[in-house]
Amino acid sequence: GAGVSQSPRYKVAKRGQDVALRCDPISGHVSLFWYQQALGQGPEFLTYFQNEAQLDKSGLPSDRFFAERPEGSVSTLKIQRTQQEDSAVYLCASSLAHTGDGEQYFGPGTRLTVT
Amino acid sequence: QKEVEQDPGPLSVPEGAIVSLNCTYSNSAFQYFMWYRQYSRKGPELLMYTYSSGNKEDGRFTAQVDKSSKYISLFIRDSQPSDSATYLCAMENTGNQFYFGTGTSLTVIP
Repeated sequence: GAGVSQSPRYKVAKRGQDVALRCDPISGHVSLFWYQQALGQGPEFLTYFQNEAQLDKSGLPSDRFFAERPEGSVSTLKIQRTQQEDSAVYLCASSLAHTGDGEQYFGPGTRLTVT
Repeated sequence: QKEVEQDPGPLSVPEGAIVSLNCTYSNSAFQYFMWYRQYSRKGPELLMYTYSSGNKEDGRFTAQVDKSSKYISLFIRDSQPSDSATYLCAMENTGNQFYFGTGTSLTVIP
C-alpha cells in the first residue's frame, strides 16, 4: 500500500517568506508527527496529532511555526517569516496506534532551504 | 546532556563483518526502543522495535536493550554493502514523545 507522502520534496524560500509543507499519512493512521532534521543530526520532535487534535506542540521552536490537521488526515506545517536557521529537512511520520506504540512510518521529508 | 547519546561514526567495515551500534540514554521513563535505518535523502525506515530489556532478533539484525544500564545495541550479522546507511536509535516515553540519537553512519565495503 501507499506509504507516507510529503510535498513538496524540495523548497527554496527567501528569508521572510511563508512556506507550507504537506503530509499525507498512511490511510487510517491515527497519530501523526512532525520532526525537524538538521544536517548530520537525528530528527527532533516538533508536534503530534491524534486524529485532528494537536496533543503536543512543545517542540515547535517559535510562534512562527504552526501545524494543523483539520480533518484528521492530511496535515500541513506552516512556517511564517522564514529564517536561515529554519533550513532543514522536515519529516512527517504516522502511526496506527493511539499511544505507546513505537511503530512510526516516515515520509521522505521536505528539504527546506532558506536563502 | 542530551537525552540520547549516539556515536556518529563514521563506521567502515568489510562485507561479512558483524556490526555493533550503540546508544545510551539518561531518562529512565523511556519504555520503547527503536532502531531506524536512513538512506541518503530518504526518510527513516523502522528496523527494530522493542519494549523490554533483552534481545530481539529479526533475520540478520538483533536488538538488545539493557534498561538497568540505560544502553541499547543493534547488531548486524553478515553485513552487506546494501546495509550502508545511517542508523538512528530512538526512544519513546509513555507520552508519545520520541527522542532520536544523532545517527551512526555505516559503510560496508565490498
